[in-house]
Amino acid sequence: DQQVKQNSPSLSVQEGRISILNCDYTNSMFDYFLWYKKYPAEGPTFLISISSIKDKNEDGRFTVFLNKSAKHLSLHIVPSQPGDSAVYFCAATRRTISSNTGKLIFGQGTTLQVKP
Amino acid sequence: ETGVTQSPTHLIKTRGQQVTLRCSSQSGHNTVSWYQQALGQGPQFIFQYYREEENGRGNFPPRFSGLQFPNYSSELNVNALELDDSALYLCASSFSQGGEQFFGPGTRLTVL
Repeated sequence: DQQVKQNSPSLSVQEGRISILNCDYTNSMFDYFLWYKKYPAEGPTFLISISSIKDKNEDGRFTVFLNKSAKHLSLHIVPSQPGDSAVYFCAATRRTISSNTGKLIFGQGTTLQVKP
Repeated sequence: ETGVTQSPTHLIKTRGQQVTLRCSSQSGHNTVSWYQQALGQGPQFIFQYYREEENGRGNFPPRFSGLQFPNYSSELNVNALELDDSALYLCASSFSQGGEQFFGPGTRLTVL
């Protein structure tokens, strides 16, 4: 049962343009969502997050949008740079429970290539 | 400040063998979580250790076990290795059970 899905295995965009990475989830109990970036031979690095009480969060070139009714989130990167080329994972968790372990449920990842 | 480190980087084992992977948490972190990332998939939660005790477990069989030491470093042990155990094993440390997780570079395990 894949609770978090990233249906696009790969995405290619031109430098300077917008990159949009999508993620869908099925568990309505998730209340916190994160995006991680992963380069080869490195562990995932936290990029940006959003709580379920918000519908948008911005950090520099990165913006995450959350549509709870559609159980969908997206990551926008504007403008895209060649250094953004990496695998991007969305992840979800439940923070508002007493036995919270911070267990992250990850999607399969989307490989972003930004061409110069 | 030293980040999360894992050893070894790569490991090759044969089916039926046992393996131990190691993780040193980031300074000040008392919680370690382990994840398995199969090829083409996202990381899957194996278990978490908080103050030397298991604190939550994913859908993995008992042959996956772990330890956390007083200095908060951790080990992941896998017995009776199977071919499907071939994966990247990631360790993440955090200030608390639900805190932001910082990942190490992983150990690539190949089971032949």
